[in-house]
Amino acid sequence: QVQLVESGGGVVQPGGSLRLSCAVSGITFSSYGMHWVRQAPGKGLDWVAFIRYDGSNKYYADSVKGRFTISRDNSKNTLYLQMNSLRAEDTAVYYCAKVGVTDGWGYWGQGTLVTVSS
Amino acid sequence: EIVLTQSPGTLSLSPGERATLSCGASQSVSSSYLAWYQQKPGQAPRLLLYGASSRATGIPDRFSGSGSGTDFTLTISRLEPEDFAVYYCQQYGSSPFTFGPGTKVDIK
Repeated sequence: QVQLVESGGGVVQPGGSLRLSCAVSGITFSSYGMHWVRQAPGKGLDWVAFIRYDGSNKYYADSVKGRFTISRDNSKNTLYLQMNSLRAEDTAVYYCAKVGVTDGWGYWGQGTLVTVSS
Repeated sequence: EIVLTQSPGTLSLSPGERATLSCGASQSVSSSYLAWYQQKPGQAPRLLLYGASSRATGIPDRFSGSGSGTDFTLTISRLEPEDFAVYYCQQYGSSPFTFGPGTKVDIK
């Protein structure tokens, strides 16, 4: 059974930092690229970042470039998103995902809510 | 950045009817790297199609996709009650891997 479990969300003041984690089980984590996707309350999906299976390449949305860092620890089967200089517009549910566009097997976590507010 | 548009914004149909959803790209999507997702309230998205027309694992054959370049279509041949949801397209040919704004399919 495949599981992706996000943690680390919460309430943070503007300008603050949070680190999200995504623990993955049931798949060979080290074989797959992974994404972070967010969804503001009542809004659509917003792609945030992607990291290749071995961490060799990372890609970011323009809105988070320079503020967010995606990383992974294949020995711990865990994906991370370090979020700095948070803004109110970063408020969203953050999902980690193996979206499945290379093999048709897509898996998403349940999401973790990040609220940026003073 | 490739900007995706989806039409219509809302599609009101009855069970058993055919649904046709469109996704347009501001520039050509390389190698038809276009995916479709379904999302129901309170749930994470679910991959339906990738490579514009390949069904993801476990997706019924009433879902089909077509298109290339800048114009893509998701067709649901006969709507089942569980198909009423929001549908998103995403291009993954070039970073940033943008999503469209979504089409809501609701019950007429």
